[in-house]
Amino acid sequence: GDSVTQMEGPVTLSEEAFLTINCTYTATGYPSLFWYVQYPGEGLQLLLKATKADDKGSNKGFEATYRKETTSFHLEKGSVQVSDSAVYFCALSDLGQGAQKLVFGQGTRLTINP
Amino acid sequence: EPEVTQTPSHQVTQMGQEVILRCVPISNHLYFYWYRQILGQKVEFLVSFYNNEISEKSEIFDDQFSVERPDGSNFTLKIRSTKLEDSAMYFCASSVTQTRENEQFFGPGTRLTVL
Repeated sequence: GDSVTQMEGPVTLSEEAFLTINCTYTATGYPSLFWYVQYPGEGLQLLLKATKADDKGSNKGFEATYRKETTSFHLEKGSVQVSDSAVYFCALSDLGQGAQKLVFGQGTRLTINP
Repeated sequence: EPEVTQTPSHQVTQMGQEVILRCVPISNHLYFYWYRQILGQKVEFLVSFYNNEISEKSEIFDDQFSVERPDGSNFTLKIRSTKLEDSAMYFCASSVTQTRENEQFFGPGTRLTVL
């Protein structure tokens, strides 16, 4: 079945550092790809998405490009802030038996120190 | 901004007891979902629900689980006889449509602890 693999966490960086969180996927169909973020005490929120190959999703300074040839959707940010501390989930979406379901990676906990 | 809400935030129960987890999806959404995350593991799809019936369920969603939309606003997940391995965070989600690029909106989760 479909699956998503994220880099192991936790990740700790200093403010203004460059961030990369790796994500690769396997899928039988042609999925859409998502990054969700979970801040403490809150639900998962969509951070960005890409629906076809070579699409770049971006939001709040974060970017990720849908790479079909390497089956990857790595999350990047040029200069992280303390407020970016959260758990980040890579996910894919495909229509199963006609119903959309999200398949998640294991999540990466990011801590940014001032 | 509309949001998905879930109650309770934390539920503690004894093994073998029934629990009902409640969710209020965003009001104009038509598709509803439950996911769970066992501590340290991935968020896993349980079930999707549309037009008052289950549209898809995972192999986790066995006969011990049921879902219901009893009154047009709430969406509930019932576990009939809880097991220790049901301890997890349960997330409800909803969406307007159901396409592969569609965004699902998640609630903050209910942490279920089975003793």
